[in-house]
Amino acid sequence: QKEVEQNSGPLSVPEGAIASLNCTYSDRGSQSFFWYRQYSGKSPELIMFIYSNGDKEDGRFTAQLNKASQYVSLLIRDSQPSDSATYLCAVLTDKLIFGTGTRLQVFP
Amino acid sequence: GAVVSQHPSWVICKSGTSVKIECRSLDFQATTMFWYRQFPKQSLMLMATSNEGSKATYEQGVEKDKFLINHASLTLSTLTVTSAHPEDSSFYICSARQGSNYGYTFGSGTRLTVV
Repeated sequence: QKEVEQNSGPLSVPEGAIASLNCTYSDRGSQSFFWYRQYSGKSPELIMFIYSNGDKEDGRFTAQLNKASQYVSLLIRDSQPSDSATYLCAVLTDKLIFGTGTRLQVFP
Repeated sequence: GAVVSQHPSWVICKSGTSVKIECRSLDFQATTMFWYRQFPKQSLMLMATSNEGSKATYEQGVEKDKFLINHASLTLSTLTVTSAHPEDSSFYICSARQGSNYGYTFGSGTRLTVV
């Protein structure tokens, strides 16, 4: 079982819709959870991080964490074509481990 | 916000030579930095954890004698790819964190091409 799992996608959503990205992790001792956006050929950019159960909102982005289910998600409201990228979930235990990423495509 | 500077952005070297990549935390001190490698259309694979003032911790399968890591100060970690070969061609990225209330920030990455 992979430590951090994501659906590779692509996830295609129309402009203005909500994009929902999911991630599961295997280590119950994981402390913090991060979402990154990566454009092709560029390094990852931090979107937000969460470490408590529940929701955390920042602008159009909402991260959701459920430690009992070992599940973390990212919702993107009012999706824009510029949101098209690969979204990486990362989990911190004693090191920061990444999932394989989900490619999001937002079409006009 | 926290800024991590990485140099060079890209480098082309001949097979058998060594290449050094620098990673600096510009406005904060980082006792720990992570080094990742990313092949095309794949995710980031952790290579090693760089610890200031002590030896780096390497992930399984990463040759410590080939990928030399030095973290001599709280703001600088270096990765040296020794005796580089074409299969070492990849995108190398470093990461650091300003503190527990912050996320990990990545450098801009170094694209290494070994010919």
